[in-house]
Amino acid sequence: NAGVTQTPKFQVLKTGQSMTLQCAQDMNHNSMYWYRQDPGMGLRLIYYSASEGTTDKGEVPNGYNVSRLNKREFSLRLESAAPSQTSVYFCATINRDPSYNEQFFGPGTRLTVL
Amino acid sequence: TQLLEQSPQFLSIQEGENLTVYCNSSSVFSSLQWYRQEPGEGPVLLVTVVTGGEVKKLKRLTFQFGDARKDSSLHITAAQPGDTGLYLCAGAPLSNTGKLIFGQGTTLQVKP
Repeated sequence: NAGVTQTPKFQVLKTGQSMTLQCAQDMNHNSMYWYRQDPGMGLRLIYYSASEGTTDKGEVPNGYNVSRLNKREFSLRLESAAPSQTSVYFCATINRDPSYNEQFFGPGTRLTVL
Repeated sequence: TQLLEQSPQFLSIQEGENLTVYCNSSSVFSSLQWYRQEPGEGPVLLVTVVTGGEVKKLKRLTFQFGDARKDSSLHITAAQPGDTGLYLCAGAPLSNTGKLIFGQGTTLQVKP
């Protein structure tokens, strides 16, 4: 029972390159989230998926796209990376039963854009 | 836009000291959570408080939810080096969209 897994753990990109961050969960949760974490700014929501087949923008969606491939997998794509996207990215799922919204996080992907 | 203001942002103390971290908002939340994050890892849930005035204890950690459900505090008694980490509060809005509002975090360093 791995919980929430993310790949890769580390990535260095050049400005303008593209990449996809992968996230998978085996907790059978419906909702999945992508956050970015920057020093002094806590966690900011990029996109979320309330259920398979649906996605919605969060607080900072510009420059990102997402795909909810199935119930288990939720990917985040950077089409043309910029230095401002240097950050640590976390995927999370949520246990909304009994509506406490407790989130379970993956280990993170540390991305540097040069 | 709902905000959670967390203070202090940084705290460096000696082993054995007590400390309190605060999480404040002008908005009401249906529940509030505290997470702890160690370097290189994702946040891990410590506790969820739901009822106004609720107090929960986890060994040396005491969590309180304000009576009006707008604020919360985390108190650590006799801090130990193992308590070092980033502490995050997160509130669930009344709209229950499944999205959480996170505070900026408090970085705690406990020196032996």
